[in-house]
Amino acid sequence: GAGVSQSPSNKVTEKGKDVELRCDPISGHTALYWYRQSLGQGLEFLIYFQGNSAPDKSGLPSDRFSAERTGGSVSTLTIQRTQQEDSAVYLCASSLVGRGEQFFGPGTRLTVL
Amino acid sequence: AQSVTQPDIHITVSEGASLELRCNYSYGATPYLFWYVQSPGQGLQLLLKYFSGDTLVQGIKGFEAEFKRSQSSFNLRKPSVHWSDAAEYFCAVDDTDKLIFGTGTRLQVFP
Repeated sequence: GAGVSQSPSNKVTEKGKDVELRCDPISGHTALYWYRQSLGQGLEFLIYFQGNSAPDKSGLPSDRFSAERTGGSVSTLTIQRTQQEDSAVYLCASSLVGRGEQFFGPGTRLTVL
Repeated sequence: AQSVTQPDIHITVSEGASLELRCNYSYGATPYLFWYVQSPGQGLQLLLKYFSGDTLVQGIKGFEAEFKRSQSSFNLRKPSVHWSDAAEYFCAVDDTDKLIFGTGTRLQVFP
């Protein structure tokens, strides 16, 4: 079946602009995760959605970052007033249940000029 | 805090040689442990996982890993490396449903 998909694959933006990154998880997966991969920080957890529970936002680096998950499926990660240090690959993953195997999408490479 | 350490940033091996990538974790309870591989420009692919039971786990592409609680380690092994194994390898521990990753080991394979 289809895996996790993310769009766009690449995004170049100017400092101060807002960006939205989209994730389509595997159908039926109740858990959805966002991670960030950057040269300086490695792979970092950002946010986790599990079913209808309140999301775990403990990894979001600042209040410029937010995410939502509509209808228990598609998720959007929004970064407001982008900064150059936001440049990274943003990875989305989903799993059938929490604490299960996470399946990763190909990522969105964000470049902030 | 939970953490994962991969002490080797870069490893180079000859094709056909054996491989061991080291991973040490810090976790208070019984850990759920994972090894992922990332090829250039690709997402992360799960190689294998340990949840409980047999401490030697088999994965895809001929990889295996051994969980050693006494050493807080979960080292990845392969008896004979292929050129296509060149990639970056990440060890991870599940921390209340989110993954904590090590910094990765880049594997280079010479013919």
